[in-house]
Amino acid sequence: EVQLVESGGGLVQPGRSLRLSCTASGFTFGDYSMSWFRQAPGKGLDWVGFIRSKAYGGTTEYAASVKGRFTVSRDDSTSIAYLQMNSLKTEDTAVYYCGRDLGGLVGATDLWGQGTLITVSS
Amino acid sequence: EIVVTQSPATLSVSPGERATLSCRASQGVNTNLAWYQRRPGQAPRLLIYGSSTRSTGIPARFSGSGSGTEFTLTISSLQSEDFAVYYCQQYNNWPRTFGQGTKVEIK
Repeated sequence: EVQLVESGGGLVQPGRSLRLSCTASGFTFGDYSMSWFRQAPGKGLDWVGFIRSKAYGGTTEYAASVKGRFTVSRDDSTSIAYLQMNSLKTEDTAVYYCGRDLGGLVGATDLWGQGTLITVSS
Repeated sequence: EIVVTQSPATLSVSPGERATLSCRASQGVNTNLAWYQRRPGQAPRLLIYGSSTRSTGIPARFSGSGSGTEFTLTISSLQSEDFAVYYCQQYNNWPRTFGQGTKVEIK
């Protein structure tokens, strides 16, 4: 089955770190660029970060709100994308989703995980 | 950053009727715009990309149009499963940005 499964969420204190994982199955993970998104309680969807496939250089992009604090990485050998979150703030509280880009230069996300909840609170 | 604005915020429609949702970008994004459906408790579902191309398995009652700054999602005859929140997203520029969503509710 083609799917993405996020893990690593939970309750964390402000200023601490957390790493989320996005485990892919059912497709050739290394062929796809991957994104992270989030949805805070009562809010809409926000794009967080992105990592290109190795074919496109494996480089990353970030939203201004997380640049310098969050890092997206990938391990194609295990089909996992990561979101390393440092210096967490209360406003980072949200459900975090990973997603697969359609492919090529089309930046739409055609496969989403079910999400993992991050609560940043003291 | 490109600001994406959706209207209306809420659309009340009867089953079987047509729904028209709008999305406006603060600067031109060519046709690099996608529409997603979000049902409660479910992950977002890609409906349309490239402004008008239906994603795999999406019924023909969903259609998208537009280019530049003005875009439209049309649901030709609303089914019960179509009552949900719809988001548009531009991917022409970094950062990728979403509209705030349009909730389609039963009238």
